[in-house]
Amino acid sequence: KAGVTQTPRYLIKTRGQQVTLSCSPISGHRSVSWYQQTPGQGLQFLFEYFSETQRNKGNFPGRFSGRQFSNSRSEMNVSTLELGDSALYLCASKTRGDLNTDTQYFGPGTRLTVL
Amino acid sequence: EDQVTQSPEALRLQEGESSSLNCSYTVSGLRGLFWYRQDPGKGPEFLFTLYSAGEEKEKERLKATLTKKESFLHITAPKPEDSATYLCAVQAFNAGGTSYGKLTFGQGTILTVHP
Repeated sequence: KAGVTQTPRYLIKTRGQQVTLSCSPISGHRSVSWYQQTPGQGLQFLFEYFSETQRNKGNFPGRFSGRQFSNSRSEMNVSTLELGDSALYLCASKTRGDLNTDTQYFGPGTRLTVL
Repeated sequence: EDQVTQSPEALRLQEGESSSLNCSYTVSGLRGLFWYRQDPGKGPEFLFTLYSAGEEKEKERLKATLTKKESFLHITAPKPEDSATYLCAVQAFNAGGTSYGKLTFGQGTILTVHP
């Protein structure tokens, strides 16, 4: 099976702009979660989508938003970019799954640099 | 609030020198504890999932164990290719007894294995 794919892999933006990142989950996986990784804060949960519905959200401002499409692909959007938004944005997918299959598999990430 | 603390922050070993990484956690109800390996510039790679105290899992030179308060990742006779950041994460049950996708990560242990 192909793994989780994320596009683009690298992105450079300036303060005040907005950006959209894309994630295609592993085939058959219906849940997609997004994480932000920075050297200072580590990996932090942004939100999770399942069946096109956001069912969990982390402690990030409203500038961070996302959505999921009927084919389980997901996008996240960051509006009014700030320097502190520079980070590696990771997408992870999993089946809704029972106890023994509830593992999240990560994509390679999108490296966002805000100048 | 769920918390995960990993120690040490960095570990330098000689090839063949076995050691352990620690992950201490505080969570209201543990759904699962996950170990990932992350190489520079890449997304986390899944290693193990542990669900209940006393559980152990092995893969090549790695063995993960779980107690009610912490998990250990034992590395036996490491090789230079085992050099990476090892991440521990917990997933908690929600108040309703369900489990969504939020993982809470520790800051990671940077392992360097010298030949």
